[in-house]
Amino acid sequence: DGGITQSPKYLFRKEGQNVTLSCEQNLNHDAMYWYRQDPGQGLRLIYYSQIVNDFQKGDIAEGYSVSREKKESFPLTVTSAQKNPTAFYLCASSGQGAGETQYFGPGTRLLVL
Amino acid sequence: GQNIDQPTEMTATEGAIVQINCTYQTSGFNGLFWYQQHAGEAPTFLSYNVLDGLEEKGRFSSFLSRSKGYSYLLLKELQMKDSASYLCACSGGGATNKLIFGTGTLLAVQP
Repeated sequence: DGGITQSPKYLFRKEGQNVTLSCEQNLNHDAMYWYRQDPGQGLRLIYYSQIVNDFQKGDIAEGYSVSREKKESFPLTVTSAQKNPTAFYLCASSGQGAGETQYFGPGTRLLVL
Repeated sequence: GQNIDQPTEMTATEGAIVQINCTYQTSGFNGLFWYQQHAGEAPTFLSYNVLDGLEEKGRFSSFLSRSKGYSYLLLKELQMKDSASYLCACSGGGATNKLIFGTGTLLAVQP
């Protein structure tokens, strides 16, 4: 069954703690993306990767880091430098190139304790 | 600059037709996507327009005018399950597939 999985569904972070959100896809897509969604706002791009071992900052990369060591995996780390991390995080993947449809995982909701 | 505008909320009646508009101003443009998102869930793909005109897919149709920077999503024979947010997103030009999203339109379908 092809698709994108994200884990966990809910994640709690303490002040000053780094947390890592998982994103895996078996669609054989080259490109992967991380978005943040806040109430009343559109999806905002954090990081994206067009190919293994390469990634680029999106519009709101500060306080986040990523890696792309495998085609299937694109984990996102929310560092302690991110002062307002509470949000719904969505991972997506697509074929490479303009006009390819992005398909989304189920999302991870991050809450700060 | 990059700007995508959609109405924040709309209400419609079950069985009726509703049109959700989207206007955009982007520095580059390849095409326009529409996604549906139910509360707390992932966005799901509805349509992609790259050429001017109307694309019909079952109860949903999407229209694009590149010269006017305008698109709409038309939903016919509304059902209660169509209550969701509808996201307009522009493929921003160039070789990458970066998308720029509007804030979404929350549609409430009433009996």
